[in-house]
Amino acid sequence: RKEVEQDPGPFNVPEGATVAFNCTYSNSASQSFFWYRQDCRKEPKLLMSVYSSGNEDGRFTAQLNRASQYISLLIRDSKLSDSATYLCVVNIGYSTLTFGKGTMLLVSP
Amino acid sequence: DAMVIQNPRYQVTQFGKPVTLSCSQTLNHNVMYWYQQKSSQAPKLLFHYYDKDFNNEADTPDNFQSRRPNTSFCFLDIRSPGLGDAAMYLCATSEGLAGARGGQYFGPGTRLTVT
Repeated sequence: RKEVEQDPGPFNVPEGATVAFNCTYSNSASQSFFWYRQDCRKEPKLLMSVYSSGNEDGRFTAQLNRASQYISLLIRDSKLSDSATYLCVVNIGYSTLTFGKGTMLLVSP
Repeated sequence: DAMVIQNPRYQVTQFGKPVTLSCSQTLNHNVMYWYQQKSSQAPKLLFHYYDKDFNNEADTPDNFQSRRPNTSFCFLDIRSPGLGDAAMYLCATSEGLAGARGGQYFGPGTRLTVT
């Protein structure tokens, strides 16, 4: 099983749609979870941390399911500007973070 | 604004010619990282510094070296670039290691081309 696994997509959705991505991780001892956004040929930018109780930031909601070892990202009311690759990031070891390959989202008019 | 700066943004080097990429930060974070990212792949960690403590990933080739002369600056040296080293090189910083809730902050990257 890969350390951090994501469906590469692309997910094609119309503006205004709700879309959700999942990410599975291999290490049950992982404690830190993040979602990053990466635009084409740009650097990753922190979108949100994922807390055990789940957390919401505007149109974005992140959830953690420790029993099944996955995290999710829900985007409501998709905007054209949400088109990007969404990277799931988890600490596998003590000191560093491991990135998934990302899920590509394409929002169309 | 506090930030992570990388220079140059684009670097072209010849096969086998040493090249140095630089990163500076105004966030005063104690950890700095270097990642390599190739097209459609996840960023791959090369090494990181926790303060002056250098930590090399097991699969990072010897061709890649790093220096951190002070808190603000970190350099990536590629001693003999090969065609396979063409990639985006990303510098990142964090306050504390992976367990910290703040995540990592990335610079804009240096895109390296090897001819």
